[in-house]
Amino acid sequence: ETAVFQTPNYHVTQVGNEVSFNCKQTLGHDTMYWYKQDSKKLLKIMFSYNNKQLIVNETVPRRFSPQSSDKAHLNLRIKSVEPEDSAVYLCASSGTGYTQYFGPGTRLLVL
Amino acid sequence: QQQVRQSPQSLTVWEGETAILNCSYENSAFDYFPWYQQFPGEGPALLIAIRSVSDKKEDGGFTIFFNKREKNLSLHIKDSQPGDSATYFCAAPGNTRKLIFGLGTTLQVQP
Repeated sequence: ETAVFQTPNYHVTQVGNEVSFNCKQTLGHDTMYWYKQDSKKLLKIMFSYNNKQLIVNETVPRRFSPQSSDKAHLNLRIKSVEPEDSAVYLCASSGTGYTQYFGPGTRLLVL
Repeated sequence: QQQVRQSPQSLTVWEGETAILNCSYENSAFDYFPWYQQFPGEGPALLIAIRSVSDKKEDGGFTIFFNKREKNLSLHIKDSQPGDSATYFCAAPGNTRKLIFGLGTTLQVQP
């Protein structure tokens, strides 16, 4: 039963374009995350929001920016994509504990 | 440096065998260790977790053995089935509610 929704599933774009990914959770959680998963399956946290406030901002290029309209939504914008941005972007949420619930991911291919 | 290490990187077992996946960590303050299971094309999902006050946790055919003194733990998958073929991630809690993931073990169960 999916409770963390991501769109689109898959996106192909050219170098230099802007892309935007959406994430919504229906679990009532206060904290949401964006991860990048590369081709070797390494899971790297990029951002974390708690109740619309940024609490974790790992070292990521400035072209990445998270956007939160409310605690159920956390979007990710990439201003000018580079080939190394090709990856799977995973959104997750958590409640009061450490358990994180992941969405199915958005696969980005930069040509 | 990798704070959570997993081995082996990949593992192949025959159907019915017990698969053993290993995890070690650096920080003795870590007190909660979830294991996530990820199928191709999906996001990771919590499989089983253990707190450092316990040395064993069982759930169905999955068992975590935890050795606090040695700072390692292992996930045993009893009577492995082809449907257990997936990538398994060990994780530990970092600061600001984030999880630190290992690089994963890809398990292949041959029929």
